[in-house]
Amino acid sequence: DSGVTQTPKHLITATGQRVTLRCSPRSGDLSVYWYQQSLDQGLQFLIHYYNGEERAKGNILERFSAQQFPDLHSELNLSSLELGDSALYFCASSVAISMNTEAFFGQGTRLTVV
Amino acid sequence: DQQVKQNSPSLSVQEGRISILNCDYTNSMFDYFLWYKKYPAEGPTFLISISSIKDKNEDGRFTVFLNKSAKHLSLHIVPSQPGDSAVYFCAASPGHLTGAGSYQLTFGKGTKLSVIP
Repeated sequence: DSGVTQTPKHLITATGQRVTLRCSPRSGDLSVYWYQQSLDQGLQFLIHYYNGEERAKGNILERFSAQQFPDLHSELNLSSLELGDSALYFCASSVAISMNTEAFFGQGTRLTVV
Repeated sequence: DQQVKQNSPSLSVQEGRISILNCDYTNSMFDYFLWYKKYPAEGPTFLISISSIKDKNEDGRFTVFLNKSAKHLSLHIVPSQPGDSAVYFCAASPGHLTGAGSYQLTFGKGTKLSVIP
């Protein structure tokens, strides 16, 4: 158990819909990272939040957005869903912005768009 | 354009033998490299890392070698055990040596290792 909690574990929804994925970081971790893993692909960095502020964006679509709340949990919002958005979405957390400490990954949310 | 490549999708090794997983990168700005292990239905777990100022890092049965001139790294597992069967991801990050590096990692597609008893 990494200490990072992602909910839900599985999500099936229709095209055009909107979903929210939730991540609770390890206690004390201020950084939250979101990654997407599509079929047969490596993990693609989406976005990074540190202590409530967006720090960096990767290959994140305009239809996707995220935020980190005062209690440090984070939500990834995916809207106008398309079949190609079906993927595993991972959240990772670390204490700091930099790589001085290890980042821990959650178990992921498997999103299936039908 | 894949900046981190793991060209072998799978690898089978006998228990007790050496497993060698390879990774190539193209971005010269990468200065920190990590290996993650992933079991089915779990998130990736950090295994071992190496800074570009080193060419080798060891942790128990796991050793990572870095060849900067060839932009190549490899993970050696000796001896391999059935519990090592998992997908191994190579990942890279820039900015580590300047203190600016973060976990905005670039991952390879992974190599599935099967250790046969």
